[in-house]
Amino acid sequence: QITLTQQAESLWISPGERVSITCRASQSLLYTDGKHYLSWYQQRPGQTTKALIYHASVRTDGVPTRFIGSGSGTEFTLSIEHVQPEDFAIYYCLQTLKSPFTFGSGTKLEIK
Amino acid sequence: QVQLKESGPGLVQPSQTLSLTCTVSGFSLTSYNVHWVRQPPGKGLEWMGRMRYNGDTSYNSALKSRLSISRDTSKNQVFLKMNSLQTDDTGTYYCTRSGSLFDYWGQGVMVTVSS
Repeated sequence: QITLTQQAESLWISPGERVSITCRASQSLLYTDGKHYLSWYQQRPGQTTKALIYHASVRTDGVPTRFIGSGSGTEFTLSIEHVQPEDFAIYYCLQTLKSPFTFGSGTKLEIK
Repeated sequence: QVQLKESGPGLVQPSQTLSLTCTVSGFSLTSYNVHWVRQPPGKGLEWMGRMRYNGDTSYNSALKSRLSISRDTSKNQVFLKMNSLQTDDTGTYYCTRSGSLFDYWGQGVMVTVSS
């Protein structure tokens, strides 16, 4: 199965700063259609899990433009510019290229 | 408005079978896939399996021998059954819809495996 590694368990930043969360896959997530099957999700206590980015860089409807997905092959990044108080949460990457689909272990964004 | 809502028992005894229901609204089960994802307390997410829009199923190989997913399209419901539960099956169980991504999630149902 494809393993996704999110190296950072926690990242401490101040509101207004920029942060990058990385996700490394054990094999390329590029499919023959030219798309990467990597998506990003946000979990906040008391709220439903929220989809942020799919195909590595496409923002889901309604997601603020400060959320930016990038990367290719096996290396992917979720960047958040000018972090807002509501962005302090846990972020997961997910690969849907091959079953079993697998999640990264999660990165928690904490207030410095 | 798309919604998914999980329901089922909060407490299951070890070695027993877990039965959960995901009731959906705002979309058709014959147009979208529905997945089950679980999360042990304080830990990360694990994909369990999916019901495809065409009725096919696929499972996480780690759970395949214990897991069954089915549906009733007339009731807009997807079902999860998992047998031989152990304490490490304790966690929150979510259903989620997918097209290009897992775009809508339920609130989840907490399941505790304990005698």
